[in-house]
Amino acid sequence: QVQIQQWGAGLVKPSETLSLTCAVYGGSFSGYYWTWIRQPPGKGLEWIGEINHSGGTIYKPSLKSRVTMSVDTSKNQFSLEVRSVTAADTAVYYCARGYDYGGREIYFDSWGQGTLVTVSS
Amino acid sequence: SYELTQPPSVSVSPGQTASITCSGHKLGDKYACWYQQKPGQSPVLVIYQDAKRPSGIPERFSGSNSGNTATLTISGTQAMDEADYYCQAWDSTTGVFGTGTKVTVL
Repeated sequence: QVQIQQWGAGLVKPSETLSLTCAVYGGSFSGYYWTWIRQPPGKGLEWIGEINHSGGTIYKPSLKSRVTMSVDTSKNQFSLEVRSVTAADTAVYYCARGYDYGGREIYFDSWGQGTLVTVSS
Repeated sequence: SYELTQPPSVSVSPGQTASITCSGHKLGDKYACWYQQKPGQSPVLVIYQDAKRPSGIPERFSGSNSGNTATLTISGTQAMDEADYYCQAWDSTTGVFGTGTKVTVL
């Protein structure tokens, strides 16, 4: 049974960089799409992007200029950075495992516990 | 950009059937997934590939997708099904979530 544990700073100042990391335990790291999803307080889910075990990335177009994802296969970890944050980036950030069941039809079958990141001075 | 629209809320009596819709342009040409999220918890996959249930998801959860609308149906709704539900599909290589529906079991 795979488990995903995430951590990172819960308070970030405006214009600075948000950084979060997820570690994967108990399952294979290769063959999946490691995904970041966020949820502003009281609002819906937003897909941010994904990275595979080889480091290939796809980002949401509207966030692409500020987002970087990376992977450390030696530790089964993957990370998210969002630069130049504003209050609009305040959200619970989730990492999740994406499983492709055919032709980039991907569902998210394991999720981290979520990290609330608040952007405030 | 592609959008998926859900009703903000659905109310259902215990034991009755709840239907949650998800509308998007030619959504039926794509596959839809559904996630359940209870307060303070991470989302859980309840339906993938329009109508398939992951292991451990009760049979009362079912799905369909045709035309512009995907539908999640909860038959014999139980109090434990009270939660937010989100549909999700792919716009080429970009993931898109629906606006979310709060299901209240009265």
